[in-house]
Amino acid sequence: QQQVKQSPQSLIVQKGGISIINCAYENTAFDYFPWYQQFPGKGPALLIAIRPDVSEKKEGRFTISFNKSAKQFSLHIMDSQPGDSATYFCAASGRYSSASKIIFGSGTRLSIRP
Amino acid sequence: DAGVTQSPTHLIKTRGQQVTLRCSPKSGHDTVSWYQQALGQGPQFIFQYYEEEERQRGNFPDRFSGHQFPNYSSELNVNALLLGDSALYLCASSGQESSPLHFGNGTRLTVT
Repeated sequence: QQQVKQSPQSLIVQKGGISIINCAYENTAFDYFPWYQQFPGKGPALLIAIRPDVSEKKEGRFTISFNKSAKQFSLHIMDSQPGDSATYFCAASGRYSSASKIIFGSGTRLSIRP
Repeated sequence: DAGVTQSPTHLIKTRGQQVTLRCSPKSGHDTVSWYQQALGQGPQFIFQYYEEEERQRGNFPDRFSGHQFPNYSSELNVNALLLGDSALYLCASSGQESSPLHFGNGTRLTVT
């Protein structure tokens, strides 16, 4: 049973535009929501993460918006650049701990057109 | 400072064979997790090792087993390989309680 649903599956955005990826979760016990970026031939790398006690977190051009009541969260990439072209995974974990397994979404392949 | 290293990078096995994948965690990390990533999918948690013990396990059959050594490195073993075991196997390490996961670049396993 998929516990983290991610959309869209693929996304094409013009350079300088805003890329938006959405995720929804079912398990209310989740309390840590990271986003990972994966380039071809590489492992996923942590991009940004949020806990449910805040509604938004921004790091540079990357922003997570979190809606606890709707059990949804999204990644916004402002001023998207060709170097942002990668696969992005949202994820969720039972507690903010290295001991917790992380449940990943199915991924969004993002392409930024120059 | 070396990150998470995995070996081999690629591997081709025949159905029914057994395979061992290896992982060295990032310096200072003591917890190792293994994930399976099928083509076009997100990683799926296999299990996690801490203090040489399996601490958590995902929904994978007993054909998947592991080990952690005193130096924190780890092995993933898969017995009786099936075609469906073809995937990228990722190792991730972490340290203190709230530290994020650091992933290696994976081992691409192809079962023919």
